[in-house]
Amino acid sequence: GAGVSQSPSNKVTEKGKDVELRCDPISGHTALYWYRQSLGQGLEFLIYFQGNSAPDKSGLPSDRFSAERTGGSVSTLTIQRTQQEDSAVYLCASSQWGQDEQYFGPGTRLTVT
Amino acid sequence: AQKVTQAQTEISVVEKEDVTLDCVYETRDTTYYLFWYKQPPSGELVFLIRRNSFDEQNEISGRYSWNFQKSTSSFNFTITASQVVDSAVYFCALSAPLQSNDYKLSFGAGTTVTVRA
Repeated sequence: GAGVSQSPSNKVTEKGKDVELRCDPISGHTALYWYRQSLGQGLEFLIYFQGNSAPDKSGLPSDRFSAERTGGSVSTLTIQRTQQEDSAVYLCASSQWGQDEQYFGPGTRLTVT
Repeated sequence: AQKVTQAQTEISVVEKEDVTLDCVYETRDTTYYLFWYKQPPSGELVFLIRRNSFDEQNEISGRYSWNFQKSTSSFNFTITASQVVDSAVYFCALSAPLQSNDYKLSFGAGTTVTVRA
């Protein structure tokens, strides 16, 4: 009965470096979401994966952000050439299907120095 | 476009007091879902409730109750006889997957509840 897991829990990186954040959803959940929580912007949607369908990338703030989901399970969010404004907590959630309630992981706190 | 407004930024109460959190939403969709999530100091968002737009019955779960009024686009949340463990940030959220295939959650800004012993 494991929940959504994310790694790392904390990441400090220098401006300009690339980072990868990982999300392991609840087993059997077909839908996976990434959100970002920052002081100034609150909770913002980034990207949504549902099964084998094309992902909904409408929330990605720039082309420096990308995500993939391999084998319909684990997802990786990649931020290239990080900027200080990318500092935030990145939350992953999964649900059994797109209409169901979403269960959130503990988040990855990203600090860009 | 969807919008969720939680006008109360912070609420502070003494233990055993009741506290009501307001949530007002805007959507052009006629069918949608409304949610409440709790974020305790540990940081993890905890799902509390989901309501369909066509089900306006109020709901009670232990000390928690929810009042959904479509006529005023409100989905308020009441904690009865609050406890220190209720201290958290509470988020109201909206999605509209049935009509617009919009599965993402649009969150309000959150209300920080502090319950003092």
